[in-house]
Amino acid sequence: GENVEQHPSTLSVQEGDSAVIKCTYSDSASNYFPWYKQELGKGPQLIIDIRSNVGEKKDQRIAVTLNKTAKHFSLHITETQPEDSAVYFCAARRGTGNQFYFGTGTSLTVIP
Amino acid sequence: GAVVSQHPSWVICKSGTSVKIECRSLDFQATTMFWYRQFPKQSLMLMATSNEGSKATYEQGVEKDKFLINHASLTLSTLTVTSAHPEDSSFYICSARGERGRGYNEQFFGPGTRLTVL
Repeated sequence: GENVEQHPSTLSVQEGDSAVIKCTYSDSASNYFPWYKQELGKGPQLIIDIRSNVGEKKDQRIAVTLNKTAKHFSLHITETQPEDSAVYFCAARRGTGNQFYFGTGTSLTVIP
Repeated sequence: GAVVSQHPSWVICKSGTSVKIECRSLDFQATTMFWYRQFPKQSLMLMATSNEGSKATYEQGVEKDKFLINHASLTLSTLTVTSAHPEDSSFYICSARGERGRGYNEQFFGPGTRLTVL
């Protein structure tokens, strides 16, 4: 089955700096890669996603890059703000199946 | 759009009792819903996939007789934790797959239910 690894597990950055979270996946059939933000005591919220036919996608301060050859994708947050502090999860979906495979999460702290 | 709600948001119960958690898609029809369990500072663990009108598919190691799932309508799935024990205490999260033509590839998550078994 699919195996998704995520690094780092914790990340602290100064406000205004950039944050990068990386994920790798094992199944070359995976074709959809969403990123979720989870605040304490809440459910995950989709913040950005990318499909396998695209190499990069950007939405304001958030961007995701995908390298299909190397089987890794990354989340980039620029000009970080304290409200970006949360746990971020990457995920991968194989083909047209239902199941999402989640990474282990990254706890991001933005220091004011 | 694509809002998923859960009820209750938190529940405390005595050991041996059963607890029902509801998951609703508020503005779309969800033929497929998912139930996850999350321990503190850990990732989401898929427990089961629920398809409207059919039996749920449970992941390996998840007891189907303990975690009863019913997906009787296109907007409601329920998870019942039967004879709950302290080790069942966790954060339970549901998600729903979007409709065709509207976020079909995505999963929309509910806010979660914190279960504490005394």
